Amino acid sequence: KQEVTQIPAALSVPEGENLVLNCSFTDSAIYNLQWFRQDPGKGLTSLLLIQSSQREQTSGRLNASLDKSSGRSTLYIAASQPGDSATYLCAVLDGFSGGYNKLIFGAGTRLAVHP
Amino acid sequence: SQTIHQWPATLVQPVGSPLSLECTVEGTSNPNLYWYRQAAGRGLQLLFYSIGIDQISSEVPQNLSASRPQDRQFILSSKKLLLSDSGFYLCAWSVSLGQGVLGRNQPQHFGDGTRLSIL
Repeated sequence: KQEVTQIPAALSVPEGENLVLNCSFTDSAIYNLQWFRQDPGKGLTSLLLIQSSQREQTSGRLNASLDKSSGRSTLYIAASQPGDSATYLCAVLDGFSGGYNKLIFGAGTRLAVHP
Repeated sequence: SQTIHQWPATLVQPVGSPLSLECTVEGTSNPNLYWYRQAAGRGLQLLFYSIGIDQISSEVPQNLSASRPQDRQFILSSKKLLLSDSGFYLCAWSVSLGQGVLGRNQPQHFGDGTRLSIL
């Protein structure tokens, strides 16, 4: 059974720092890995999607890497800003679930960037 | 552009009462549709997904049900709510491109959610 773990559960940093959020998954047979952002009381916004054949994806100040063999992904946020404060969720599309397009989510990392 | 709407935004219901949450998608045809629940401090759990009208697969216990009466409408229901049904319910959609590589790599787009509290 696929399990997704995110470390740390919470993170508080001063503005301007570069930071790394970690995600690990137990079964390397995935189709893709996705990073989402969730603001308090809101839905999820898709940030980056890394296909199983890819090693990384970049969007602006965000860079996500994927190492399938070790079951790990990192989300790198450069020059953090207070507007980056949110919960970041990692999810894998599990290739061996009962149905396709079934995302398995981690519990998230709650990020606070203070001025 | 595509948009997704969920309502109500918040709901407080007594134990044993019925439930109906609605989700509609605009600007796309034949989307894949999903219902998730997010319990406090836990990751999102997929409840149901649908690849077409009246085509729904379930991932969870039977206290909840889902229906898709129209192409872009997805409804989450219960006949009798339990305390354990409290949580944040999210609807999502993705482009339907089959079960190949292209279909599997379509991102999911989420609504703003419904906060459900059971008293």
